Amino acid sequence: GAVVSQHPSWVICKSGTSVKIECRSLDFQATTMFWYRQFPKQSLMLMATSNEGSKATYEQGVEKDKFLINHASLTLSTLTVTSAHPEDSSFYICSARGGGGQETQYFGPGTRLLVL
Amino acid sequence: GDSVTQMEGPVTLSEEAFLTINCTYTATGYPSLFWYVQYPGEGLQLLLKATKADDKGSNKGFEATYRKETTSFHLEKGSVQVSDSAVYFCALPRATNKLIFGTGTLLAVQP
Repeated sequence: GAVVSQHPSWVICKSGTSVKIECRSLDFQATTMFWYRQFPKQSLMLMATSNEGSKATYEQGVEKDKFLINHASLTLSTLTVTSAHPEDSSFYICSARGGGGQETQYFGPGTRLLVL
Repeated sequence: GDSVTQMEGPVTLSEEAFLTINCTYTATGYPSLFWYVQYPGEGLQLLLKATKADDKGSNKGFEATYRKETTSFHLEKGSVQVSDSAVYFCALPRATNKLIFGTGTLLAVQP
């Protein structure tokens, strides 16, 4: 099946620093990638949708200047949490979808961010 | 708007017990329906899906039947194992390619 990787798998940073999370589709070309945030014992909340070569579309309430998304190639999308604060601590999950009208999303293993 | 409603957990079962996790949806049209599973410390994995009414998705002993008349997609397994302990999410894809997730149901299987 399709494989999506994320790096790093976990990160601890100081408040005020920026953190970059990578999401890669390893064996298929991902025309669309999605970034989710998951709080403990809660469901996934979609943050943004990114299409290769274009600007990301952010969900209502998600600060685009806070969560920078870049989808520069068909196999890589990055999420940068700028000036991170403790309330940004969460589990960030990406997913990828191929082209050709496919609707199935393949999820990465997630990145756990802890901001001190 | 479109939504997915799952039974609240946690669901605690003994090994080899029968499992049902309820999922109902509200949506326009007849979307595909998915079940995802999240094992401890891991990302979501697609468990099974059904693309049209009366379809039955199945995988790893789990089954779910897309029932249009009751707008349901309940997940079932005849005999659960300890290794099935995970969080299960029902999901509904929409035209904008977004996935709408239920709140998730934690399943704990005891030996």
